[in-house]
Amino acid sequence: DIQMTQSPSSLSASVGDRVTITCRTSQNINNFLSWYQQKPGKAPELLIFAASSMRRGVPSRFSGSGSGTDFTLTISGLQPEDFATYYCLQSYSTPWTFGQGTTVEVK
Amino acid sequence: EEQLVESGGGLVKPGGSLRLSCAASGFTFTDAWMSWVRQAPGKGLEWVGRIKSKGSGGTTDYITPVKGRFTISRDDSENTLYLQMNSLKAEDTAIYYCVWIGLGSGTLPLHLWGQGTLVTVSA
Repeated sequence: DIQMTQSPSSLSASVGDRVTITCRTSQNINNFLSWYQQKPGKAPELLIFAASSMRRGVPSRFSGSGSGTDFTLTISGLQPEDFATYYCLQSYSTPWTFGQGTTVEVK
Repeated sequence: EEQLVESGGGLVKPGGSLRLSCAASGFTFTDAWMSWVRQAPGKGLEWVGRIKSKGSGGTTDYITPVKGRFTISRDDSENTLYLQMNSLKAEDTAIYYCVWIGLGSGTLPLHLWGQGTLVTVSA
């Protein structure tokens, strides 16, 4: 199985901050990496697919980068609605695996 | 509007069975690859399994802890996805999400999620 290492597990930030979350995989997954946002009591929502492609309707302050084994989600200019938990997912080979999650909290 | 609505969750005793349903609308379900993802209380997301469209072979894949106990199936005539869960254990307690897998990019993201249904396994 492909192991996912997502970091940090949590971070505190202020509105307007630039936030970076990383995801490392145990083997090369090309760009089969997606990012999800989950707010308390809600289902997750897709933000980024194919490592760097933004889903339609997602604000441009969200961006993804990386290929191979190292990936990054960046939020440029954190907004109040961005305080949530973020997960990465590899869909390169089954079983698909999620990162452990990163909770972005208010500083 | 594209939508997924799960049903069938509830309280079940260890060793019992439950069948979850997911009604799809707003997209061509026949062509869709579908997945189930679960989330134990206060924990992260766990991919449970996937079923391809019949046109892609209709095959299924599962995580090891549920192999032989869970079965994903589909009824394309009813636009419905199912998760049959047998021999349930306490560690299967979770919210179960039905998810539509996006095929456009070729990288298979989890494109659309249902609202989830809670399964509680307890005596």
